[in-house]
Amino acid sequence: RKEVEQDPGPFNVPEGATVAFNCTYSNSASQSFFWYRQDCRKEPKLLMSVYSSGNEDGRFTAQLNRASQYISLLIRDSKLSDSATYLCVADSWGKLQFGAGTQVVVTP
Amino acid sequence: NAGVMQNPRHLVRRRGQEARLRCSPMKGHSHVYWYRQLPEEGLKFMVYLQKENIIDESGMPKERFSAEFPKEGPSILRIQQVVRGDSAAYFCASSHTSGTVAYEQYFGPGTRLTVT
Repeated sequence: RKEVEQDPGPFNVPEGATVAFNCTYSNSASQSFFWYRQDCRKEPKLLMSVYSSGNEDGRFTAQLNRASQYISLLIRDSKLSDSATYLCVADSWGKLQFGAGTQVVVTP
Repeated sequence: NAGVMQNPRHLVRRRGQEARLRCSPMKGHSHVYWYRQLPEEGLKFMVYLQKENIIDESGMPKERFSAEFPKEGPSILRIQQVVRGDSAAYFCASSHTSGTVAYEQYFGPGTRLTVT
């Protein structure tokens, strides 16, 4: 079983719409969680950290549910530039466990 | 403030040769991590290093692979006697820490290794 599981998508989203997706993690000892985005298999770029209380950064909202071991990401008012692969990440003492990624395609 | 730097960006090696990949962390960061992304796969953790120390090498293949982060100079990931299956993108990341807490990791542009 993979440590971090994600729906690979693709999620096809009209520009301006809202899209949400989540991932699950298996290691309950994971301490920190993040969303990264990766474009065309370039380097992953940190999008945001994820906290139990939920956190928002502009159009992006992330939520962590420790009891159910899942993490969510919501993107509001999607832009064409949001098209990317979104990587769900669990951190265990510095060792990042990456999901395989969820592909999002925003269409005009 | 320069980001994480990696070189070379592309490296071609013939089977049996050695590959040396270099990584300079962001200024002020003392922790370095190496990840590998095989074609059509996700990123996999390889090794976590501090200056002159290996913290966690649980993701490193048992043979042919080694990593170091010397007191001076960049971190080096070394692959001896490369095989075709080593062809991948190798990403380095760095972070700073406070005590035992590691902060967010920032990635370099990667080295694309091709073994012919």
